[in-house]
Amino acid sequence: GAGVSQSPRYKVTKRGQDVALRCDPISGHVSLYWYRQALGQGPEFLTYFNYEAQQDKSGLPNDRFSAERPEGSISTLTIQRTEQRDSAMYRCASSLIGDEGESTEAFFGQGTRLTVV
Amino acid sequence: QKEVEQDPGPLSVPEGAIVSLNCTYSNSAFQYFMWYRQYSRKGPELLMYTYSSGNKEDGRFTAQVDKSSKYISLFIRDSQPSDSATYLCAMRNFGNEKLTFGTGTRLTIIP
Repeated sequence: GAGVSQSPRYKVTKRGQDVALRCDPISGHVSLYWYRQALGQGPEFLTYFNYEAQQDKSGLPNDRFSAERPEGSISTLTIQRTEQRDSAMYRCASSLIGDEGESTEAFFGQGTRLTVV
Repeated sequence: QKEVEQDPGPLSVPEGAIVSLNCTYSNSAFQYFMWYRQYSRKGPELLMYTYSSGNKEDGRFTAQVDKSSKYISLFIRDSQPSDSATYLCAMRNFGNEKLTFGTGTRLTIIP
């Protein structure tokens, strides 16, 4: 696609429910990242994938959070048993890997605004 | 102490002025330094990308990295109202794709 696409754009859920946030990266982008951004703050790293392999999940806050990218393209971030503190903007980004094995520019999607009530 | 410190502002300057935005960091392993611009209700977009120390210029934008002081800067010349946005610094280690962001500086250019 033309850019990183995230869905839904807005999600309101009741405390205790599970939610799944979807990210469709730019076609051909190998690396995919999930970040969380609170109001007035910079994005905070959650996890990232190269192809289908999850390379780093050190930013996931606890075991209620998980992510997958089974076919190396679309990714899903799942939050189980949501809590009010999970309310934030969840952003996905994708990038190519350059000739030297390092990622190139990361393009961000418009995000999913999650509100837990 | 946060790994990356950035003054959140807000910063207001008149049109045409030179803008200076800065970040300090504590992790000496950071090798890649970036500046992102974020308009309201939009995702961050990359403005400048530098590796290690030195200067990089792109049009009205200049990025500077001083690794000895752990200090990076973004200068905007001939500032325009369309430059009004939040500017985020970000950095990462070599071989680690995790970006660590500053809090962002909210900039307003007054016509």
